[in-house]
Amino acid sequence: AQSVTQLGSHVSVSEGALVLLRCNYSSSVPPYLFWYVQYPNQGLQLLLKYTTGATLVKGINGFEAEFNKSQTSFHLRKPSVHISDTAEYFCAVSDLNRDDKIIFGKGTRLHILP
Amino acid sequence: GAVVSQHPSWVICKSGTSVKIECRSLDFQATTMFWYRQFPKQSLMLMATSNEGSKATYEQGVEKDKFLINHASLTLSTLTVTSAHPEDSSFYICSARGAPLTGGYQETQYFGPGTRLLVL
Repeated sequence: AQSVTQLGSHVSVSEGALVLLRCNYSSSVPPYLFWYVQYPNQGLQLLLKYTTGATLVKGINGFEAEFNKSQTSFHLRKPSVHISDTAEYFCAVSDLNRDDKIIFGKGTRLHILP
Repeated sequence: GAVVSQHPSWVICKSGTSVKIECRSLDFQATTMFWYRQFPKQSLMLMATSNEGSKATYEQGVEKDKFLINHASLTLSTLTVTSAHPEDSSFYICSARGAPLTGGYQETQYFGPGTRLLVL
C-alpha cells in the first residue's frame, strides 16, 4: 500500500527566505509523486509532478522538488518565498501503473511572515 | 489550465435529509471524475471514481447506497449524500480529467474548489 508523510503541519518563514517542505512516501511500485497547493477558498492546483527521468522537477511559481529514491523523499523547496505563497501544500503519491488513485498527505500550512 | 467548478460551495442541512453536490468541468470533457472527502486536519481521501456513462467504482469502506454518484455527461458529475447525518459533515472535493477542447488527452486531474457540508 502507498502512503505519504508530510513532516510539519505548520511552517512559518519570513518573506524572501528559503522554504523546505518535507515529504516522505512509501510505495512498493515505482510511484508518481505530486505536490499540490490549495490557496484559501480555492481548489487544489498542481505545482509539479514527478514520473520518471530527471530527479529534480521544476514547477510553477518558482517551486521545485527532488525525487530521492534511496531516502524515499520528495521534498519541496522555494529559494525565496513571497507573501502570496501562503497556502496549504499537499504531497501525494500514486501508482505508476494506476495513476487514478492519488494518496494525499495531511498537508502543510505555509505561513509567510512579512 | 482546465477549470472545475462545484456547487454549492457550502451547505447546511438537517439530519436525515439528502444533499446533492454538483461537479462541472467548464472547458474540457471529463471522461473520468473523482470524489474525495477531507475531514478537518486530515488528508483528502478518495471516495469513488466514475467514468462517463458507467457506474462509479467505490473505494473500500465507502457506502455506495449512501453516497450516490451520477456521471451522466462529459461535463457533469453529481454526488448525493442520502439521509445525511452529522458524521457526514466534511469537505467534499471533486476532480476531473479528460480531453481538452483543443484536442488530445490530459491525464492530469483538475480539482474543484470543494463543498463544505455541515449536517445538524
